[in-house]
Amino acid sequence: NAGVTQTPKFQVLKTGQSMTLQCAQDMNHEYMSWYRQDPGMGLRLIHYSVGAGITDQGEVPNGYNVSRSTTEDFPLRLLSAAPSQTSVYFCASSRRNHQNTEAFFGQGTRLTVV
Amino acid sequence: DQQVKQNSPSLSVQEGRISILNCDYTNSMFDYFLWYKKYPAEGPTFLISISSIKDKNEDGRFTVFLNKSAKHLSLHIVPSQPGDSAVYFCAASAIGTSSNTGKLIFGQGTTLQVKP
Repeated sequence: NAGVTQTPKFQVLKTGQSMTLQCAQDMNHEYMSWYRQDPGMGLRLIHYSVGAGITDQGEVPNGYNVSRSTTEDFPLRLLSAAPSQTSVYFCASSRRNHQNTEAFFGQGTRLTVV
Repeated sequence: DQQVKQNSPSLSVQEGRISILNCDYTNSMFDYFLWYKKYPAEGPTFLISISSIKDKNEDGRFTVFLNKSAKHLSLHIVPSQPGDSAVYFCAASAIGTSSNTGKLIFGQGTTLQVKP
């Protein structure tokens, strides 16, 4: 059982380049989300999805796009990378259940924009 | 505007003693609270949670206390072990609302060091 898989693990981009961070889960979870972790800022929500075809913005959505065409996949797109997007990115998934909103996280993607 | 705050960036305790990590929140709509543990180069992993209808939840060495009137929760680890050294994040969610989106709002994290 792979859980939540993120690729790549590391990436260096030049300012202005675009790329897609991949996220896949095999737990049939309805909810998926993207967070970024920065020193002193904790985990901040970028975008989230409550199911296939439905996405919404989180706390820090600017500069990022998402789509959810399947239950399993939730890619995060950087259209024109900026140094301020240097961060560690985590994808998470969880069930839609009033008793449990425990989220399972991937291992992260460390992105550096130069 | 930080809805979930962990005001202590770091905590150091001796092995065998109690570790107490604190978290404050401002949004009264939050009704479910979680603690996550994160080791370097790994994703956060779920540790323990508590619903707002309870004031205490215990799981082995880990106990979470919730004080709704003070909008404060704490994580107690007894006894602390060197393997507990990690970053601890508290998180909150409003799952009882009609728009249950599964969103988790995290605090800044507290780095716990347990010395042998």
